[in-house]
Amino acid sequence: GDSVTQMEGPVTLSEEAFLTINCTYTATGYPSLFWYVQYPGEGLQLLLKATKADDKGSNKGFEATYRKETTSFHLEKGSVQVSDSAVYFCALSTNFGNEKLTFGTGTRLTIIP
Amino acid sequence: GAVVSQHPSWVICKSGTSVKIECRSLDFQATTMFWYRQFPKQSLMLMATSNEGSKATYEQGVEKDKFLINHASLTLSTLTVTSAHPEDSSFYICSARDPLAGGPGNEQFFGPGTRLTVL
Repeated sequence: GDSVTQMEGPVTLSEEAFLTINCTYTATGYPSLFWYVQYPGEGLQLLLKATKADDKGSNKGFEATYRKETTSFHLEKGSVQVSDSAVYFCALSTNFGNEKLTFGTGTRLTIIP
Repeated sequence: GAVVSQHPSWVICKSGTSVKIECRSLDFQATTMFWYRQFPKQSLMLMATSNEGSKATYEQGVEKDKFLINHASLTLSTLTVTSAHPEDSSFYICSARDPLAGGPGNEQFFGPGTRLTVL
C-alpha cells in the first residue's frame, strides 16, 4: 500500500540556519505530494504541494521538488525563523477527487534565537 | 482561509462511557469530512470518510460500531466513541473538504484536534 517515510525529529536549529526535512514515499500510480504544517494549538495547514514529477512547490520560503526517480519530496528552507517552529507532515494522495491522504509521522522543528 | 473547529479540545472520561466529538466547518459547506486518529510519534491514520446525508465509509480495521460517525449537516460531523476504553485514548483530528476550493490536497481544512483520555 501507499506509505510516507519522513525523518524523525525532533529537529532543533538556530535561527537563519538551513533546513532540510527528508521525505520519501511508496505509492501506486502517480501520487500528488504535500507538506502540511501544524503550529502549536492549531490544525494542519497545507504548506505546499506538487502534483507531477519535477514540479516544485513553494510557499513562505519553503520549497520541495517532486523527484520521481528517487521517490522523494524533501522540504527545504534557506534561512529559518523562530516562527517556523512547528510540526511538519509529508503526505501523498493517489485518489484524485477522493482526497484520501496518507501521512508521514511528522517532524517537530524547533528554532532557537 | 477556511476554518474548521473541533469540540471539545480535550476530554477525560471513565472507561465504559461514550464520548462525542464535534467537527464544524465555520465558513464553508463541507460535503465531505474525514476523521483521523493520531498516536504519539506516529502519523495520522484515516479512520473514516463522512459524506453529508449518507453513511460513513470506514477504513479497514476500524470498528464502525465503536466509532459512530454522523454527518447530519453540511457544517457538522460528529464522532462518538462508544463504550470507551483506555486503548481508545488518542488524538482525534477531523478535516473538512471545501468543494469550491480547487485542486488536490488544498480542498481539505483541518481542525485542531481533540485529545481523548480514557481512565
